[in-house]
Amino acid sequence: AQSVTQLGSHVSVSEGALVLLRCNYSSSVPPYLFWYVQYPNQGLQLLLKYTTGATLVKGINGFEAEFKKSETSFHLTKPSAHMSDAAEYFCAVISGGGGNKLTFGTGTQLKVEL
Amino acid sequence: DAGVIQSPRHEVTEMGQEVTLRCKPISGHDYLFWYRQTMMRGLELLIYFNNNVPIDDSGMPEDRFSAKMPNASFSTLKIQPSEPRDSAVYFCASSATDSGNTIYFGEGSWLTVV
Repeated sequence: AQSVTQLGSHVSVSEGALVLLRCNYSSSVPPYLFWYVQYPNQGLQLLLKYTTGATLVKGINGFEAEFKKSETSFHLTKPSAHMSDAAEYFCAVISGGGGNKLTFGTGTQLKVEL
Repeated sequence: DAGVIQSPRHEVTEMGQEVTLRCKPISGHDYLFWYRQTMMRGLELLIYFNNNVPIDDSGMPEDRFSAKMPNASFSTLKIQPSEPRDSAVYFCASSATDSGNTIYFGEGSWLTVV
């Protein structure tokens, strides 16, 4: 079975600083990887995804992530944090067995401070 | 296009009552998922359907939970009888086989059982 591990349940950055949210995956087959964002009291919104092809993936709101097979990582970054980025971020992987079945990490709460 | 539509958005019910959550997936999507989100357990996949057929219900907590998908545009998740530990946010999501494995989430149904 495939899984993802998010390091750090809470991350705090200053406005304008680099955002780095870590995600490592475990997979016996090439994974499909996703980052979702959840704002307070809302559903999950897709930020970006990696399926095949280019390993650097750009998403919405200035976020990007790089698939590194050698490190089994898919870390999410943004060069300059904005107050509106405060939310919970989930890394997810398509599980083995097909069927588009997503398995989520435990989430990272991002706090942006002035 | 309308996204995944869930109802009710919020429900407060008494222990022992039946709860029915409803979902309308995005038109044309052939996969439908029910997830539950709690502080303790994070995001859990309860059940998913492909072409209206339940494929994997291994995440359904117990016999008190049941899900149906009578047609391609409607699904229900029922809890009978409800218990306080069922209090959670229930998300419905859908995807299409040819959508690059992207899963789209509804806004969630916030259930409180007192």
